[in-house]
Amino acid sequence: QQQVKQSPQSLIVQKGGISIINCAYENTAFDYFPWYQQFPGKGPALLIAIRPDVSEKKEGRFTISFNKSAKQFSLHIMDSQPGDSATYFCAASMWNAGNMLTFGGGTRLMVKP
Amino acid sequence: NAGVTQTPKFQVLKTGQSMTLQCAQDMNHNSMYWYRQDPGMGLRLIYYSASEGTTDKGEVPNGYNVSRLNKREFSLRLESAAPSQTSVYFCASSTDRGSGAQYFGPGTRLLVL
Repeated sequence: QQQVKQSPQSLIVQKGGISIINCAYENTAFDYFPWYQQFPGKGPALLIAIRPDVSEKKEGRFTISFNKSAKQFSLHIMDSQPGDSATYFCAASMWNAGNMLTFGGGTRLMVKP
Repeated sequence: NAGVTQTPKFQVLKTGQSMTLQCAQDMNHNSMYWYRQDPGMGLRLIYYSASEGTTDKGEVPNGYNVSRLNKREFSLRLESAAPSQTSVYFCASSTDRGSGAQYFGPGTRLLVL
């Protein structure tokens, strides 16, 4: 049972465009929603994260939008750059359950110059 | 400050062989985790350790054992490798539950023939 569903599986965006990746979760007990960025041959690295008490969090060109009632959250990359080409994973965890992350399936982003 | 280190980087095993994947962190984190990454399935938690001396099963523990040797080190053992265990294995660590962020190592690529 996949508790966190991520879409699309792959995404191609032109340089300067907006990249949007969506995730949906099932477990309403989740209370921490991070996004990880992974380059080929490397481990995932935390990009940005949000807790359900806010609807949006922005860090530079990266924004998380969170819709608690719909159990959905998304990552927006503004002014996408070729250096943003990577695989992005959404995840969710419960504060009081050892911070174990449940990951989405990943989105491979390619930003064309 | 190396963060999370993993050895080996790459390993080929024959079915039935055993091996231990090593992980160490120098960030004084209490919690450590082992994940496997397969195409299209994101990362799935194998085992985790909330503190030295404790370990718990994750989503996919069958065929694996772990040892939390001390606060720094967390090893993953395959007693009798199977082709289904061909994957990329990542170790991660995190501080207390407050931050939620997990820090990943560079991964071990395992091929079981």
